[in-house]
Amino acid sequence: AQSVTQPDIHITVSEGASLELRCNYSYGATPYLFWYVQSPGQGLQLLLKYFSGDTLVQGIKGFEAEFKRSQSSFNLRKPSVHWSDAAEYFCAVGANAGKSTFGDGTTLTVKP
Amino acid sequence: GAVVSQHPSWVICKSGTSVKIECRSLDFQATTMFWYRQFPKQSLMLMATSNEGSKATYEQGVEKDKFLINHASLTLSTLTVTSAHPEDSSFYICSARDQKTEAFFGQGTRLTVV
Repeated sequence: AQSVTQPDIHITVSEGASLELRCNYSYGATPYLFWYVQSPGQGLQLLLKYFSGDTLVQGIKGFEAEFKRSQSSFNLRKPSVHWSDAAEYFCAVGANAGKSTFGDGTTLTVKP
Repeated sequence: GAVVSQHPSWVICKSGTSVKIECRSLDFQATTMFWYRQFPKQSLMLMATSNEGSKATYEQGVEKDKFLINHASLTLSTLTVTSAHPEDSSFYICSARDQKTEAFFGQGTRLTVV
């Protein structure tokens, strides 16, 4: 069975500081991996995805993620966080887009 | 990216009544749509996969007679919560997959059953 673990429930960073959100997955084959962001009371927006190829994936809003097969990880990074990045972040794994298993999410708080 | 619209954004209904939630892909055809449920401060749980013109596939533990899903066209899927009860109160989100490999999420529907 596939699963996703986001070890950090809540992360607080200062505006301008770098950010890394962790994601570990369990999947029987080559996974499709996704990172989504959700603002309160809103739907999900896709930040980036990995299917194959280059293991460093660039996304929207200055985010990137690196797929490490040996560590079963797909961590999300951003070099400089903005106050507008405060939101809930979900990592997901699946055989295709749409039917995915989501992690429990990480709440990001940005301090001024 | 493509746009998926959910309607209504929020709804309050009385216990025992039924509520219909619509999910529309506005600028692409979606042969497959997915319905998720999200409890406060929790993750999304897949409820069912909806394929145009066929019966929906429900995940284990989801009552198909309570959560009726219809995917009558390539741009519209509906979720009807029948005989709603307070424990059905939740945030329901749909996603629609295009011809490629990307899925787009609606903005969600907040259902409150009183």
